[in-house]
Amino acid sequence: AQSVTQLGSHVSVSEGALVLLRCNYSSSVPPYLFWYVQYPNQGLQLLLKYTSAATLVKGINGFEAEFKKSETSFHLTKPSAHMSDAAEYFCAVSMDTGRRALTFGSGTRLQVQP
Amino acid sequence: NAGVTQTPKFQVLKTGQSMTLQCAQDMNHEYMSWYRQDPGMGLRLIHYSVGAGITDQGEVPNGYNVSRSTTEDFPLRLLSAAPSQTSVYFCASSSTTGAGGANVLTFGAGSRLTVL
Repeated sequence: AQSVTQLGSHVSVSEGALVLLRCNYSSSVPPYLFWYVQYPNQGLQLLLKYTSAATLVKGINGFEAEFKKSETSFHLTKPSAHMSDAAEYFCAVSMDTGRRALTFGSGTRLQVQP
Repeated sequence: NAGVTQTPKFQVLKTGQSMTLQCAQDMNHEYMSWYRQDPGMGLRLIHYSVGAGITDQGEVPNGYNVSRSTTEDFPLRLLSAAPSQTSVYFCASSSTTGAGGANVLTFGAGSRLTVL
């Protein structure tokens, strides 16, 4: 079975500071990994995804994530936080099965302080 | 704009009432799914469909029914609402070309349901 653990339900950073949101996964086969962002009262939208082409994945809005198989991690980073980054972030894992279902982590709410 | 449309955005039900959450997409996606979002639990898959006439259960299917008569529509039915079904519901779709697990889901804006 696959699962995702996001460490820290709330993260607060100052504007301009490094953003680091942690995600660890467990999967019996090489996974596909995703980060989605949810702004208040909206649906989820894709930030980036890992599909084994490259271990460092760049996404939208300056975010990137690095797949580390030895650590079973897929942490999300951004060098300099902006006020508009305040949102909830979800890590998700999928295997290539007929269900095409994503298993989501519990989410991390990012606050950006001025 | 192309995307996934969910209606209604908000709904309040009494225990035992029935209702249908509507979901429509105009991207010709074969795959559609319903998730529920609860605080501290992320999103959990309720039901999914890989094409018209084909549906299957997800992680938390009890209390919900679905059908898929057209490619565009995938309604979610609550036959007898319970307070435990108070949640935010998201419909999502994707194409089925290429490696299935890598397909990106497009989400609707959500439907907030309260069952009293």
